[in-house]
Amino acid sequence: QQQVKQSPQSLIVQKGGISIINCAYENTAFDYFPWYQQFPGKGPALLIAIRPDVSEKKEGRFTISFNKSAKQFSLHIMDSQPGDSATYFCAATRGFQKLVFGTGTRLLVSP
Amino acid sequence: NAGVMQNPRHLVRRRGQEARLRCSPMKGHSHVYWYRQLPEEGLKFMVYLQKENIIDESGMPKERFSAEFPKEGPSILRIQQVVRGDSAAYFCASSPPDRGRFTEAFFGQGTRLTVV
Repeated sequence: QQQVKQSPQSLIVQKGGISIINCAYENTAFDYFPWYQQFPGKGPALLIAIRPDVSEKKEGRFTISFNKSAKQFSLHIMDSQPGDSATYFCAATRGFQKLVFGTGTRLLVSP
Repeated sequence: NAGVMQNPRHLVRRRGQEARLRCSPMKGHSHVYWYRQLPEEGLKFMVYLQKENIIDESGMPKERFSAEFPKEGPSILRIQQVVRGDSAAYFCASSPPDRGRFTEAFFGQGTRLTVV
C-alpha cells in the first residue's frame, strides 16, 4: 500500500513534442505529490508538486494532472527539449516526512 | 548557502569492511533523510533523523546499518561488514524545521558505494 507505480520505464520524444509520465498510488493518506528530476551523477531535484485538493498545476512547460478518485497523477512536459533528457521520479508523502518514490522514467528527447 | 554536502562521492570497500557515509545538511536545516538507490531503481527511504533523534527508521535493514545525527557535525550512515548487495547510491536530503506544511527536501549528490 506504500507503493507508487510509475510508467513508462523509458520514453523517447522528439524535440518539441509532449512527454507524459504516469503514476498511481494506493494509500489515500498521501497528501503531497512531488515530481523530481535527476541528471546522471546528480541528486534528485524538485521539479513541481501538487496537493490532492487540486486537479492541475502548471509551472512553465511542466504540468501535473491529478485524479483523486482514480488515485493517479501524471507529469506533462510540453515542447520537450534535449535539456529535459533526464530521469523523472514521481513521489508521494504523508505528513511531510519520508518520500515514497516511483521507479523512475528515463526520458530522452531527440534533437 | 551551500547545498547538502555528501562525502565521499565515491567509496570502494571490500566485503566485510565498514562504510561510513557523511552528510552535512543545508544551513538552518534540522531534518535529515537517507535514501538508497539501487541501479535502475527508484530511491528507497531508509531513515529520518532530527538532531540527536531517530524519528523513523522503518526503511533501515535490521542488521549492519545504523545512522546518527549528532548535535554537532554531520549525519553519518554506517554500514558494517558490507556485502556486494550494499553497492548502491546513497542520497541524503535535508529540510528545514516543520511549519505545518510540506517543506522541500533538498538532496545531496550522493555517495556511490561499490563493494568488491
